[in-house]
Amino acid sequence: AQTVTQSQPEMSVQEAETVTLSCTYDTSESDYYLFWYKQPPSRQMILVIRQEAYKQQNATENRFSVNFQKAAKSFSLKISDSQLGDAAMYFCAYRTTYNNNDMRFGAGTRLTVKP
Amino acid sequence: DGGITQSPKYLFRKEGQNVTLSCEQNLNHDAMYWYRQDPGQGLRLIYYSQIVNDFQKGDIAEGYSVSREKKESFPLTVTSAQKNPTAFYLCASRPQGDNSPLHFGNGTRLTVT
Repeated sequence: AQTVTQSQPEMSVQEAETVTLSCTYDTSESDYYLFWYKQPPSRQMILVIRQEAYKQQNATENRFSVNFQKAAKSFSLKISDSQLGDAAMYFCAYRTTYNNNDMRFGAGTRLTVKP
Repeated sequence: DGGITQSPKYLFRKEGQNVTLSCEQNLNHDAMYWYRQDPGQGLRLIYYSQIVNDFQKGDIAEGYSVSREKKESFPLTVTSAQKNPTAFYLCASRPQGDNSPLHFGNGTRLTVT
């Protein structure tokens, strides 16, 4: 079974600085999807960014970008110009193309933003 | 506005009682899901449903039951057989499409004493 590992339980960043959250996954498949979700104190999960494994280009959404290293099975999230509203739990998730209903989540990284 | 509504936000029950968590969506999504979230762990799939009147067990279905009588609704019942029911429960839905992401509700915090 596929597993997703987030090795940083907690991270902190100064407001306006850049932070990178790590995510690795284990799979034997060549085609899959990767996601980053944000869970603020309201506890609703919000999609931050997604990446298709067949695309070499790293996905970008405004201040959020990923570094997708397929061979290394790594999918890190970079947050630029960090804002106070970025403080949240961040979850990395993997989904196979063979079963759209099987999404695997990492344990999460709690990000603190210091003013 | 379209979205997923979970109710109630907080739920308290005595041990030995069954309890049903509500999940309603008006996004016209076919697939719906129930996840459980515990501290220090990622989300774990309890049940999912791809179409009305059909549902499948996830990784931790024991002690839970679901129904899908309407496309918009996917209630989850936590039975007395669930050994550790206290947790945060998230409902999600997903539109058609291979790379479509999950859309989540606000969750229900269940406390059983």
